Amino acid sequence: SQQGEEDPQALSIQEGENATMNCSYKTSINNLQWYRQNSGRGLVHLILIRSNEREKHSGRLRVTLDTSKKSSSLLITASRAADTASYFCATALIQGAQKLVFGQGTRLTINP
Amino acid sequence: GAGVSQSPSNKVTEKGKDVELRCDPISGHTALYWYRQRLGQGLEFLIYFQGNSAPDKSGLPSDRFSAERTGESVSTLTIQRTQQEDSAVYLCASSLSGYYQPQHFGDGTRLSIL
Repeated sequence: SQQGEEDPQALSIQEGENATMNCSYKTSINNLQWYRQNSGRGLVHLILIRSNEREKHSGRLRVTLDTSKKSSSLLITASRAADTASYFCATALIQGAQKLVFGQGTRLTINP
Repeated sequence: GAGVSQSPSNKVTEKGKDVELRCDPISGHTALYWYRQRLGQGLEFLIYFQGNSAPDKSGLPSDRFSAERTGESVSTLTIQRTQQEDSAVYLCASSLSGYYQPQHFGDGTRLSIL
């Protein structure tokens, strides 16, 4: 089964609202990464958080990591229509950290 | 600079045929990865190259799948005797070496087996 599981599977909000997506994983990690995928395109790296970090910011993105609960969240503030995409968390395991294990993704729709 | 380039972007072939998918990574990226993405699913790891060697082939689903990389650059993923369950998008990514390097993805090859 997948290492990462994301919640919710789909999220639809109004433009300007905040969007929160969650990711849970099963085994110890070296780092956790979030990626965005627009329909029919490849993935775009958003942010990487190391296992010894608890929170990281990048522009309108905020990622948290709780290694005791084996979970992470991605918050997008002041959402825009252009944020409509699928969002994936990916974990790099301690052994074989160059291989990423992806979750099933959250499909985010921002309504204008 | 140029990103990761994959070709062809779409491939339709008959069951039983062999297919070859190509990936041109970002120049200077020593690590290269292949993933498979079925419709509406997350990415499934296939193989990882460091330079021209493949220290992790654990994700290749069967011996019909093989990959090689030459000149620390171009990589090809070959699927022999294709089956309908091979239909998916095949994504390639490259990165600098190291544990904390983000992966840069191409737009993938959409493979359809009739």
